[in-house]
Amino acid sequence: GDSVTQMEGPVTLSEEAFLTINCTYTATGYPSLFWYVQYPGEGLQLLLKATKADDKGSNKGFEATYRKETTSFHLEKGSVQVSDSAVYFCALITNAGNNRKLIWGLGTSLAVNP
Amino acid sequence: NAGVTQTPKFRVLKTGQSMTLLCAQDMNHEYMYWYRQDPGMGLRLIHYSVGEGTTAKGEVPDGYNVSRLKKQNFLLGLESAAPSQTSVYFCASRTRPGGQDTQYFGPGTRLTVL
Repeated sequence: GDSVTQMEGPVTLSEEAFLTINCTYTATGYPSLFWYVQYPGEGLQLLLKATKADDKGSNKGFEATYRKETTSFHLEKGSVQVSDSAVYFCALITNAGNNRKLIWGLGTSLAVNP
Repeated sequence: NAGVTQTPKFRVLKTGQSMTLLCAQDMNHEYMYWYRQDPGMGLRLIHYSVGEGTTAKGEVPDGYNVSRLKKQNFLLGLESAAPSQTSVYFCASRTRPGGQDTQYFGPGTRLTVL
């Protein structure tokens, strides 16, 4: 079945370091791909998304490119800040059927130290 | 717009007690979801609804019931709470397929069952 695999955390970085969080997926058809972020004590919110191969989603300095050939959607940021400390979830939604549900990765916790 | 709201924010129950969690959205979304979030297990779908008067089971429906009597509300019930239901519960909503696939999340309800 469809699935999402994220790199395990926690990830700990110093401020201004480069961030990569790996995400790979298995899906039939052509899924849309998402990154959601969960700040401490809050619900999840959409960070960025891409709906077709080679699309790049971007927001708040974060980027991810939909790579169909490697079935990946890795999240990157060139210079992280303390305020980026959060849990990041990769997810996909498939086009199969009408009751399309998000398939979630397990989340990757990021801690950024000043 | 308030977005997605959840009540209560926190609750402590004794084993065997019952309670209802309320989710409300003011975005006129068709689809609504209940998830639970547990450490190391990511988000797991409990039940969902594709419209007023409809409900369907997700990955982990046992021990929970739901109702969607009004489009804007989605209720999650625990008839006889068990310690295994200690978790953080999130509600989410989105428009029907064909529109934006973004799910909007509530702030969560932290439930402890003693």
